[in-house]
Amino acid sequence: DTGVSQNPRHKITKRGQNVTFRCDPISEHNRLYWYRQTLGQGPEFLTYFQNEAQLEKSRLLSDRFSAERPKGSFSTLEIQRTEQGDSAMYLCASSLNKGSSPLHFGNGTRLTVT
Amino acid sequence: ILNVEQSPQSLHVQEGDSTNFTCSFPSSNFYALHWYRWETAKSPEALFVMTLNGDEKKKGRISATLNTKEGYSYLYIKGSQPEDSATYLCAFEGNKLVFGAGTILRVKS
Repeated sequence: DTGVSQNPRHKITKRGQNVTFRCDPISEHNRLYWYRQTLGQGPEFLTYFQNEAQLEKSRLLSDRFSAERPKGSFSTLEIQRTEQGDSAMYLCASSLNKGSSPLHFGNGTRLTVT
Repeated sequence: ILNVEQSPQSLHVQEGDSTNFTCSFPSSNFYALHWYRWETAKSPEALFVMTLNGDEKKKGRISATLNTKEGYSYLYIKGSQPEDSATYLCAFEGNKLVFGAGTILRVKS
């Protein structure tokens, strides 16, 4: 069990640029979640995959955000035309595909938009 | 919008004190209630996942209870130690997992 891996750990970008983050879940985990965390807040749900199917996407997410999980393995989260308000920690987590399984989190990608 | 509320927002206790936090969640469409500990510079780590009304779970000095009918869970820490300092998150699992804002615990030695 190598754990959930996220890359990059840090990303600094200029406003208006596109960024892409990658998450490699624990290999036998079917479920994969993306969360965003800003200072003083708990993780905010962004989206959720079961295998390659994106089952839920937060209504808070604008069209600038998109996530994929091709082949049900790793996942990418892309933010287009970044804004300063996108600066946050982006967390990925995975879990087994059975009820009430705990999430295993990666170390996150910290995005700073200047 | 699903509301998962945690209180207090932060807590400062002395080493050896016992403490508890509250998580309030919707009582409908309940599947499970999760508790996580999030230490600075680390990723959140699962403490408990509870599904049944009246469930009680224990891990060392930390325990949790669940009341799904009234929509709350308590997390207890007995004899707090400095290494217990962390943010404690609860998460409601219905159609998706929704987290509360967390309770920040600081234990002074």
